[in-house]
Amino acid sequence: GEDVEQSLFLSVREGDSSVINCTYTDSSSTYLYWYKQEPGAGLQLLTYIFSNMDMKQDQRLTVLLNKKDKHLSLRIADTQTGDSAIYFCAESLMDSSYKLIFGSGTRLLVRP
Amino acid sequence: NAGVTQTPKFRVLKTGQSMTLLCAQDMNHEYMYWYRQDPGMGLRLIHYSVGEGTTAKGEVPDGYNVSRLKKQNFLLGLESAAPSQTSVYFCASISDKREQFFGPGTRLTVL
Repeated sequence: GEDVEQSLFLSVREGDSSVINCTYTDSSSTYLYWYKQEPGAGLQLLTYIFSNMDMKQDQRLTVLLNKKDKHLSLRIADTQTGDSAIYFCAESLMDSSYKLIFGSGTRLLVRP
Repeated sequence: NAGVTQTPKFRVLKTGQSMTLLCAQDMNHEYMYWYRQDPGMGLRLIHYSVGEGTTAKGEVPDGYNVSRLKKQNFLLGLESAAPSQTSVYFCASISDKREQFFGPGTRLTVL
C-alpha cells in the first residue's frame, strides 16, 4: 500500500545543517516533493525530484533520493530561524490522477 | 497571477448545516484537488478533478461532494456538516511540470 513516513521533530542550532528524512513504500512513485508549512499558512512547494534522479540541489536545499531503500532526504544548509516550520514529504504515484500521498510532517525548530 | 485562491478563509457551522467552499486558479491547470489537514497528520485527498466537468473520489470522500463546472473553479460541498469535518481544507492545482500549488486554506469548525 501507499505510505509515507517522517520523523516528527528535529531541532538544530542556527547556522547548522538540517537533514529531514522520509521513507515511502510505493516503488511506482514518479515524483517526490518537499513542502514547507508555516503556522496558519498553506503549503509552499520547496522542491521536487523525479524518480530517475539521485540528487537535486537548489540554493541551500539538497534533495537526495535512494530509490533502492525508498528513502528521501532534504538537507537545508546554514539553517536560519526563518526555516522553522513543518516540512512535508509527498509522493506522486504513477497513475493518471497525479494525486499526492503525504507524510505527517516533521516539525523543524531552529534555535538561535 | 493570483495562483490558487480559496474562499472563505474561516467558517463556523452548526451540525447539519451545509456550505460550499470555493477554489479558483488562474494558471489554466487541468487538474485540481481538495485535501483536508487534521492536527498531527499530513494532507488527505478528498476529491479531485482531471478537467472541466470531471470529478473523482480520493482517500476520504464520504460526506463531501464536488463540482467542476468551469476549468478555473473547483467547489467542495458539505451537505450536512458533522463535527468530524472540523479541519483545514486545502485546494491545489498541478502544472504540466507536475508542480502542485496549494491555496491558503479554509479553516472550518463544526459545532
